[in-house]
Amino acid sequence: AQSVTQLDSQVPVFEEAPVELRCNYSSSVSVYLFWYVQYPNQGLQLLLKYLSGSTLVKGINGFEAEFNKSQTSFHLRKPSVHISDTAEYFCAVSGTGYSTLTFGKGTMLLVSP
Amino acid sequence: SAVISQKPSRDICQRGTSLTIQCQVDSQVTMMFWYRQQPGQSLTLIATANQGSEATYESGFVIDKFPISRPNLTFSTLTVSNMSPEDSSIYLCSVDGLAGGIGYNEQFFGPGTRLTVL
Repeated sequence: AQSVTQLDSQVPVFEEAPVELRCNYSSSVSVYLFWYVQYPNQGLQLLLKYLSGSTLVKGINGFEAEFNKSQTSFHLRKPSVHISDTAEYFCAVSGTGYSTLTFGKGTMLLVSP
Repeated sequence: SAVISQKPSRDICQRGTSLTIQCQVDSQVTMMFWYRQQPGQSLTLIATANQGSEATYESGFVIDKFPISRPNLTFSTLTVSNMSPEDSSIYLCSVDGLAGGIGYNEQFFGPGTRLTVL
């Protein structure tokens, strides 16, 4: 079984500032890791994923995440946020192969001018 | 990527009634899933919809309450039965394993069905 912990329920930040959203996971097997974004009243959109290879993963909208196996973390970063990045961000983990996703509780990113 | 549609997009229902939600994908997919997102909460997997056989339910979810059908590789339905206000949630379907293996282990989500039970 897997679990995901997103320690921050909300992260307020000013526009053009950098941001990091934290995600830690636990699993007894090899995992794939994902970050999804949910804009208000919309479905989920995949930001980026780690399946294997380079531990630094680049996604859409200028986001990137780094897989750290020793710390069981997959933190999401963006060097300069925009107002339009205001949304709920979910970290998720799955086992390898066709496998179900386990989601964290989500982090609300609030970007203000 | 897959294009996924859900019907209805939202509904308001009376206690004790049932609602069937449809999920349609624009290409054949191996796996289809149903999730629930309660107000202000994360997503919880209800079940995996299996083509041609009974769905696989997660702990806490039962077939009598959430019957699921998957008649082919592009379509699935979720029924929320004998609804109560606690069933008010967003219900999302997702897919994985697109034709030809493209998108393997990358789930695409539908826009969701926002259900309010009075």
